Amino acid sequence: SQQGEEDPQALSIQEGENATMNCSYKTSINNLQWYRQNSGRGLVHLILIRSNEREKHSGRLRVTLDTSKKSSSLLITASRAADTASYFCATDGRGSQGNLIFGKGTKLSVKP
Amino acid sequence: DADVTQTPRNRITKTGKRIMLECSQTKGHDRMYWYRQDPGLGLRLIYYSFDVKDINKGEISDGYSVSRQAQAKFSLSLESAIPNQTALYFCATSDQSFSEAFFGQGTRLTVV
Repeated sequence: SQQGEEDPQALSIQEGENATMNCSYKTSINNLQWYRQNSGRGLVHLILIRSNEREKHSGRLRVTLDTSKKSSSLLITASRAADTASYFCATDGRGSQGNLIFGKGTKLSVKP
Repeated sequence: DADVTQTPRNRITKTGKRIMLECSQTKGHDRMYWYRQDPGLGLRLIYYSFDVKDINKGEISDGYSVSRQAQAKFSLSLESAIPNQTALYFCATSDQSFSEAFFGQGTRLTVV
């Protein structure tokens, strides 16, 4: 069964706005990762946050992790049309045998 | 050259046919994975291999088999393809720390 669940399933915003996507998971984790997928293409790693970290930044990306709520959020600031893609969280939770378990993704559409 | 290469990129096959999807990587990673992606379901793990002699079933291994021919090569076979195996298939690799997974561009398989 899937570990992570992203919310919302789809998000449509205007260029320049911020986009926030959420991920909830079920078991304790070592780390949580976010990936991006352009339509029909392979996934590309964006950022990793470890279970002992609460916030991490990379360029226009900001990731938070709340292990007490088993949730994470990905914020993309000042979005661009090129940010249009699907975004997935992935966790290596208990029972995963060290594998990454992916959620169903959030489809982000940024309109110019 | 891409770090993870999948062949073929697209394939249409008939029900009952045997088909093999191939994956090769130049990252030097021990760990390799096969995922399947269906619309609305995210990525689901089919098989994974932590080294050449280690093969493990994932969440949805029924109807699939794999072969790890070398550290760099991991192939997925459908012994007798059926229409509900129509999907986008991804190969991925990672090192032992699993800090980042590298994905191929995917194989779009259609079973008619």
